[in-house]
Amino acid sequence: GDSVTQMEGPVTLSEEACLTINCTYTATGYPSLFWYVQYPGEGLQLLLKATKADDKGSNKGFEATYRKETTSFHLEKGSVQVSDSAVYFCASNDYKLSFGAGTTVTVRA
Amino acid sequence: DGGITQSPKYLFRKEGQNVTLSCEQNLNHDAMYWYRQDPGQGLRLIYYSQIVNDFQKGDIAEGYSVSREKKESFPLTVTSAQKNPTAFYLCASILVTGLVGRGKDTEAFFGQGTRLTVV
Repeated sequence: GDSVTQMEGPVTLSEEACLTINCTYTATGYPSLFWYVQYPGEGLQLLLKATKADDKGSNKGFEATYRKETTSFHLEKGSVQVSDSAVYFCASNDYKLSFGAGTTVTVRA
Repeated sequence: DGGITQSPKYLFRKEGQNVTLSCEQNLNHDAMYWYRQDPGQGLRLIYYSQIVNDFQKGDIAEGYSVSREKKESFPLTVTSAQKNPTAFYLCASILVTGLVGRGKDTEAFFGQGTRLTVV
């Protein structure tokens, strides 16, 4: 069935460093792809999405491009802040919404 | 304000008891989902429902049951058959639009979660 695999963490960075979290998917159809973020003790919030191949989602300095040829949707940010510390989830949705395992990111001042 | 509400926030269950977690949304969303979150394992799908009076098993449905009698409500019952129920449970809803009718392109809205502990 459809599934999502993302880079395991935890990831610890210094402020202003570059962040990349790898995500790959398997699907029989043409899923939409998402990145969600979870802050401590809360539910998930949508960070960005892409609904078809070559689309780029972007929000709050984060970007991810839907790469059909490599079945990937890697999340990138050029300069992280302490406030970016959270758990990040990659997700795909074709006929049901499935999530990766999550990557915990900690940014130190 | 529109939103999705889970209750209670914390729930304690004795071994052998069934408990029901509430999930209500006033967003007029068609699809609703239940996930279980354990440390280091991300979100695992328990059950989902695309329309009223219909639902499908997810990846870890054993020991759980659901109902979808109303569009706004999707309660999850954790039965005594669930051997390791201590976890954080998240409910989500999605607006289903377009010809595809699955809501694949649209954002999921999440509740704040219920933390269930077996005592």
